[in-house]
Amino acid sequence: QSALTQPASVSGSPGQSITISCTGTTSDVGGYNYVSWYQQHAGKAPKLMIYDVSDRPSGISNRFSGSKSGNTASLTISGLQGEDEADYYCSSYTSSSTLVFGGGTKVTVL
Amino acid sequence: QLQLQESGPRLVKASETLTLTCTVSGGSVTSSTYYWAWIRQPPGKGLEWIGSVFYSGSGYYNPSLRSRVTMSVDTSNNQFSLKLISVTAADTAVYFCARQSWFWFFDLWGRGTLVNVSS
Repeated sequence: QSALTQPASVSGSPGQSITISCTGTTSDVGGYNYVSWYQQHAGKAPKLMIYDVSDRPSGISNRFSGSKSGNTASLTISGLQGEDEADYYCSSYTSSSTLVFGGGTKVTVL
Repeated sequence: QLQLQESGPRLVKASETLTLTCTVSGGSVTSSTYYWAWIRQPPGKGLEWIGSVFYSGSGYYNPSLRSRVTMSVDTSNNQFSLKLISVTAADTAVYFCARQSWFWFFDLWGRGTLVNVSS
């Protein structure tokens, strides 16, 4: 199975909005609403930010939102803050009953 | 508050078997609403799903690792484990254990443990 495609890096200024894309195929992202997003600060474990394409776990800021169109899922961070600087990974269930991650996106707050 | 903690050797010799255990505290590994998963991350690289196991022992594995991976659950000790045989330097990574929902997302993670494979 191939990794989902994410941009290597995205940057924005404090207060701005940024969007991270996650592109797969009809066998994963496009075929199921089991897309999730994780935030990982350096040296830490990943943290669930979005599940089932657009749902937020309890305690996650509503500045984080998820969506999907066709084979591409997206994570939008609005009102960008310094603490949002981290690596972000998407993941999706696949038609083979497996899970695949994206390659990761480094978010930089300018 | 459920917590996960990985344990196992930090150094494994090439061609040998890597064995890690994840201890679940504050909850039960026999929960019928969760799978238990292993995910790894080579230094400086992205996340890779290794596999997920239910307390009954049934599971799903990454096709690229399936031939070398065994996952199991020890209900008496509230633990689950990973065995990876015939390791090489490419298996050097931080290994995370995690709780996985039925809907294929990981809502709780261990802190991770770095395993180095030496030649």
